[in-house]
Amino acid sequence: DAGITQSPRHKVTETGTPVTLRCHQTENHRYMYWYRQDPGHGLRLIHYSYGVKDTDKGEVSDGYSVSRSKTEDFLLTLESATSSQTSVYFCAISESSTGSSSAQYFGPGTRLLVL
Amino acid sequence: QQQVKQSPQSLIVQKGGISIINCAYENTAFDYFPWYQQFPGKGPALLIAIRPDVSEKKEGRFTISFNKSAKQFSLHIMDSQPGDSATYFCAASIRYNFNKFYFGSGTKLNVKP
Repeated sequence: DAGITQSPRHKVTETGTPVTLRCHQTENHRYMYWYRQDPGHGLRLIHYSYGVKDTDKGEVSDGYSVSRSKTEDFLLTLESATSSQTSVYFCAISESSTGSSSAQYFGPGTRLLVL
Repeated sequence: QQQVKQSPQSLIVQKGGISIINCAYENTAFDYFPWYQQFPGKGPALLIAIRPDVSEKKEGRFTISFNKSAKQFSLHIMDSQPGDSATYFCAASIRYNFNKFYFGSGTKLNVKP
């Protein structure tokens, strides 16, 4: 988890309210990712960023938006939280490379409960 | 469509035994195959990774075996210990694709003392 923090670490919210999760890195890595983790589904990519203000959708992006105004911060917003968005959310970072793929490094996670 | 299929879903091994977790993929454009270890309440941590130009990589008690023709790779944990009890995820990544990973669904390993 070194170099990656997520806030809040735990949150309980009500259906219909907006929620913003923050990922902060001190590694100056170019790529950042948001995943959700649910039993039986492993890790599913929500959105990712390949630079400041450069973002794109992952496989489960409906109901989520992201923003990246600085290299070190990547925000995930649930526009109107639903119970199906109850999950554990992980941020990950990765260095860019000129060719081959490389490792992603994960934050400690945010546990979100939508009532 | 799941890009990486992982099995088994759960595994029980006696202390000192060998734990084997398997993953299969279809996309031959994958160029990086990492394994992650996750303890309850923690984020996944990189354990070991391999590229398709080698058939095996070993780090301590952990070995990845890679079979390019069969499009399969596996994690072997030798001399399994109770401290290895965790969830393990395989993943794969495609070159020039923003380093996006496709994860398997995970294997929960329980090593009994």
